[in-house]
This record gives sequence, C-alpha cells and structure tokens, in this order.
Amino acid sequence: DTGVSQDPRHKITKRGQNVTFRCDPISEHNRLYWYRQTLGQGPEFLTYFQNEAQLEKSRLLSDRFSAERPKGSFSTLEIQRTEQGDSAMYLCASSSPRVAGAPYNEQFFGPGTRLTVL
Amino acid sequence: KQEVTQIPAALSVPEGENLVLNCSFTDSAIYNLQWFRQDPGKGLTSLLLIQSSQREQTSGRLNASLDKSSGRSTLYIAASQPGDSATYLCAFYNQGGKLIFGQGTELSVKP
Repeated sequence: DTGVSQDPRHKITKRGQNVTFRCDPISEHNRLYWYRQTLGQGPEFLTYFQNEAQLEKSRLLSDRFSAERPKGSFSTLEIQRTEQGDSAMYLCASSSPRVAGAPYNEQFFGPGTRLTVL
Repeated sequence: KQEVTQIPAALSVPEGENLVLNCSFTDSAIYNLQWFRQDPGKGLTSLLLIQSSQREQTSGRLNASLDKSSGRSTLYIAASQPGDSATYLCAFYNQGGKLIFGQGTELSVKP
C-alpha cells in the first residue's frame, strides 16, 4: 500500500474553466475527506464520504463544487467555472473504519493538488 | 465556533536550540489532537497523534503534550536542526470526526 494519492499534483487553468481532481485513498479506508488550504492558512474542511455516501458538506463548498465517490473507492472533486479565489491546495485524506466507542481514527493525507486560476 | 490558535505565527532560531510551539483550542470536547509538518508547497506529514485519554506523545526529538482542561497543546522540539524548518500545524478531531486546523507556525532554523 502506497498511501493516499492525488492527481494531478499541479493544475493551472484560466478563469471560467472546469477542473477535476482525483483522490485514491488507502485501500479499505471507508472514510474520505477533502480539505482546502489557501496561502498562509491551515486546511479547512470541505466534505467527507463514508463509503459512497457524502455525509457532510461545508458552507465553503459552493454550488460550483461537486464531489463524488461512486464506488466507495476513489473520489473526484470538480470545480465548475473556476474563479481566482479558488486558487488553493486541495488536500485529500482517508481513515479506516471506526471501532464503536473509540475515538475517530487517524486521517492520512495525500500530497495535495495545487490549483492556480489565472 | 470551534477554533484553533497557534502562537507564534513565525519563529526563527539558531541551530541547536530547544523550542516550544503552542496551540490552543476553544472546544474542550475534542477527541484526538494531531501535529503535522508541512514543507513549502507540499502535503501534510503527521508527526504525533495524542488520543483524548493521553497527556503526551514522544517521537525522537519531538514531544507533544495535551491539556484538555486548559485547551492547550504544546510541541517541543529538542536540539533543532536546519532540516526542521517547515510549517507546523496543530489540529483536533471534533465530535464529527473532522479535523479543525490552526493557521500554523512557520519555523526557520538557521545553521
């Protein structure tokens, strides 16, 4: 197992274009999280999946953003009609199934996708 | 609103110094707390995870402590090296299992 992977690592696009990022979690991890990190700030939660179900979305996730995890394995995050304010690092993390009564399991992060919107 | 504050925002020290990074959080009902390292333009590397029932964790030259009652955690780095230069992020797992991050402390260790 090679850990969480993300593709692409870097994406430069023009304002108004659509972009899609992919995240492959650690195998058998049922939870998958997306975070966004702007320059000089800590990451902020966007959304998460448990298996194929999207259980929570942040207010940061405007209607231009959509995330999917169709078979409970990899996930995609699409941004439509990109704006310069979307420029950020998009981080994906996964965690193993939680044991009842135990604290939430550790999240493992991928290398991130850096998006630059010109 | 659940918040995490990290002080200082930036720190520059000469090589060999011991140093302490501070993290405070507003929600005492946290679960685990985790310290990460982030190199410029890179993803997050987990350093230490402290479970809610624990008071501290150690790994090599790093020691992290957790005091839930006061809402504070510290990361102690012994005998700092230029390779320790990076941004250090503190984050806690809230009741829903999400990570809530601070803004980070940017550390520079001068040779």
